[in-house]
Amino acid sequence: QLQLQESGPGLVKPSETLSLTCSVSGVSISTHDFFWGWVRQAPGKGLEWTASISYRGTPYYNPSLRSRLAISLDTSRNQVSLRLDAVTAADTGLYFCARENLGVPAGSGNWFVPWGQGTQVTVSS
Amino acid sequence: QLTQSPSSLSASIGDTITITCRASQAVSDYMTWYQQKPGEAPKLLIYAASTLHSGVPSRFSGGGSGTQFTLTISSLQPEDFATYYCQQETFGPGTKLEIK
Repeated sequence: QLQLQESGPGLVKPSETLSLTCSVSGVSISTHDFFWGWVRQAPGKGLEWTASISYRGTPYYNPSLRSRLAISLDTSRNQVSLRLDAVTAADTGLYFCARENLGVPAGSGNWFVPWGQGTQVTVSS
Repeated sequence: QLTQSPSSLSASIGDTITITCRASQAVSDYMTWYQQKPGEAPKLLIYAASTLHSGVPSRFSGGGSGTQFTLTISSLQPEDFATYYCQQETFGPGTKLEIK
C-alpha cells in the first residue's frame, strides 16, 4: 500500500532555507506515469500547490515561488525533497506531499492521491 | 485562476447542495475536487470532472466543462460538513460547508 510521510525541521528562522523530505513506501518514486508534488496550507487558509516532479526528475514550480524553490528525487532512498530558500513568516503552514496522477491522454487533468499527513513548518526568530 | 461559489454555505442533513468552480480561462475540460476536514489532509473526491474516486459515496457527483464545473452532494450526511476545493493547475479558494 502506497504511503507518504513528510518530515522537516518544524521551526525555521526568517531568511533561512527550509528543507522537507517526503518518504514514500509501497512504490518506487521512479515508477512510470506518476509525478510527486508538494502542497502547502497557511493557517486558516486554502491549499497552494508549490512544486511537482516527474518520475524522470523534471521539476515544475508554482510561478509565484519559482525563484526560491527546488524539488528533487532521491531514488536510492525513495524520497522526494523540497527546498525553499529565504523563508518568511508567509511560508508558515502545513506542508503536504502527494502523488500526482495524470490523466491520459496528456491534458486530461491531474489529481493528487494519496496524501501524506503533512508536516508543520513555522517561520519565526 | 479558479474561483468558487459560494465561499461558504449552510445546509441541513438530507439537503442537496451544489458548489461551482469557475476558471478564468478554459485551460482544460477536466476538474478535480477534494474534501478537507480541519487538521486532516485533503481527500480526493472526483477527478476528470466527473469520475468518482474509489470509495467515495455515490451522493457526490461532478460535472461541467470549459470554464464552469460543479460539485453536487445529494442527501447531505453529517460527515460531509467540511471544506471543498476544486483544482486544475492550481487550487480554488475553497467552499466551507457548515451544518445549519
